[in-house]
Amino acid sequence: DVKVTQSSRYLVKRTGEKVFLECVQDMDHENMFWYRQDPGLGLRLIYFSYDVKMKEKGDIPEGYSVSREKKERFSLILESASTNQTSMYLCASSFSGTSGSDTQYFGPGTRLTVL
Amino acid sequence: SQKIEQNSEALNIQEGKTATLTCNYTNYSPAYLQWYRQDPGRGPVFLLLIRENEKEKRKERLKVTFDTTLKQSLFHITASQPADSATYLCALDRGGKLIFGQGTELSVKP
Repeated sequence: DVKVTQSSRYLVKRTGEKVFLECVQDMDHENMFWYRQDPGLGLRLIYFSYDVKMKEKGDIPEGYSVSREKKERFSLILESASTNQTSMYLCASSFSGTSGSDTQYFGPGTRLTVL
Repeated sequence: SQKIEQNSEALNIQEGKTATLTCNYTNYSPAYLQWYRQDPGRGPVFLLLIRENEKEKRKERLKVTFDTTLKQSLFHITASQPADSATYLCALDRGGKLIFGQGTELSVKP
């Protein structure tokens, strides 16, 4: 089974802190994604990566950056945390198959609270 | 821009009945559509995928339909059980990425 793990289930940080959220997948997937999920807004794509050292902005990249130095690891960075970044953060990975239908496998999520 | 709408109100049904969830979309013609299940405090889990040239897909008690003319997908759970209680998300492909609906919360009462 594909396993996607996230470094923390719960995290509490202060406004202005730099925050690192780590995601690791064990299935050699090319694609990795970071989402945030808020009540009433659903899942929104922050950043994604199709390969090592490659990254592309999603729908809401402002205030975030990412790093993908190794294929299995995709990090989300909040440069200076703000209270409006309090949310559930979900990482996902998928395989770039020839079928063109990239099923995504999600991690358990990190619930981040910024005080 | 692409827009996906799912029933925002929770769906409450009796055990044994068929649950039907709706996913409507606009401004897009996806090549495929996926359905995911999400339990509280957990990440979504993939359930089914249906392509634009398929009318219907089944997996055990689950059935998905895809009407590209109506721009709608229906997700059915037959003989529902309390263990089916969860939030169900539909997602459209967007060139390797997915756009997710907000999800519909299903509650199956014994």
